[in-house]
This record gives sequence, C-alpha cells and structure tokens, in this order.
Amino acid sequence: DVKVTQSSRYLVKRTGEKVFLECVQDMDHENMFWYRQDPGLGLRLIYFSYDVKMKEKGDIPEGYSVSREKKERFSLILESASTNQTSMYLCASSFWRGRDTQYFGPGTRLTVL
Amino acid sequence: GIQVEQSPPDLILQEGANSTLRCNFSDSVNNLQWFHQNPWGQLINLFYIPSGTKQNGRLSATTVATERYSLLYISSSQTTDSGVYFCAVAYTGTASKLTFGTGTRLQVTL
Repeated sequence: DVKVTQSSRYLVKRTGEKVFLECVQDMDHENMFWYRQDPGLGLRLIYFSYDVKMKEKGDIPEGYSVSREKKERFSLILESASTNQTSMYLCASSFWRGRDTQYFGPGTRLTVL
Repeated sequence: GIQVEQSPPDLILQEGANSTLRCNFSDSVNNLQWFHQNPWGQLINLFYIPSGTKQNGRLSATTVATERYSLLYISSSQTTDSGVYFCAVAYTGTASKLTFGTGTRLQVTL
C-alpha cells in the first residue's frame, strides 16, 4: 500500500514565524502535491513537483514556497506565517504525470495565532 | 480555469439506501478522480475515471466525457460511507493539476 506521511497532525504557530511542513511518500512517486483545505472552498493546489528540484505553482502559491531535495520528500514552507494561513494542509503523491491516482497523507491542521 | 460543480451539496440517507452523486465540469478533461474524505479528514481515492464506467464493491462511477459529467453511485449505503465525496478534474496540458469541487457531504443514519 502507498503510504504518505506528514510530519505533524496538529501545529500551532505565531504570526511571523517560519513554518515547515514535511511530507514523505514511500512508493517512489514522481509527483508530489501540497493543497490547503478550507470550509466551503474545497481543496486548492498550492504547489506541486514532478521531479526532484522541480516545482510548479498551483492556484494559490502566494505566501508559500516548497523544496524537493529528495524524491520521497516534499516540504511546504511558510516564510512568515499569517493568520489567514490557518488551514488544513494536505500532501499527496502520484505515480506519473497526470495519469494516475493521487494518494493523500492524513493532513496537518495548522493554526496561526 | 476549469469549473467543477458537485450536487447535491448535502445528503442524508438511511442505512441501506442507494444514492447518486453528480459532478459537472466546464471543459474537456483527461483526468477525473473521485475521493472520499472520512470524518477524521483522511482522503481516500475511490476511482480514477476520465471516461467510461468502473465498479468497486458497492461503489461504481461513470464518466461521460463528451457531456462533461461524472456520476458516483453508492448502493446499500452503510454508516461508514459517511463523509465528504469530492470530484477532481484536470485537463489537457495541466494533467497533474487537479481542480476539486466543493464536495457532497453524506450522512448515513441507522
């Protein structure tokens, strides 16, 4: 079975802090994704990566950056957290570009005070 | 960008009932997936179905790409089917970038 893990289930940070959310997959997937989920808005794509050191912006990249130094790990970085970044963050991975199912991690609920 | 609409937004069923969830999309797609999010927030992929029909146990899905809609059928519903069902699509040239609908929230009662 595919396993996608996220570093924290719940996280509380203060405004202005630098925040790292980590995601690891164990199935040698090329693609990895970061989404945020907010009530009434569904899931929105922040960034995705289709290879090591490659990244593309999603629909809402402002205020976020990403890093993919190894194939199995994809990090989401909030350079200076703000209260409007309080959300559920979901990581996903898939086998190859646009042709396979996406597998999700359990999510990180981030609260920025 | 592509628009995805799901209906109904909310659904309450008694255990054992059948239901049909609908997903309409505004452009041609080459990637369509159905997901179930359980009450604990975990998203599980149900189907990868850009066209045609698939079945998995009590669940089945049909996508009519030329008419830009997909249907998810749940038969003999169980309380464990409760949660939110999402449809997500991507279209030619952006096949990895899924756009999600806002979901159908299903509650199955005893």
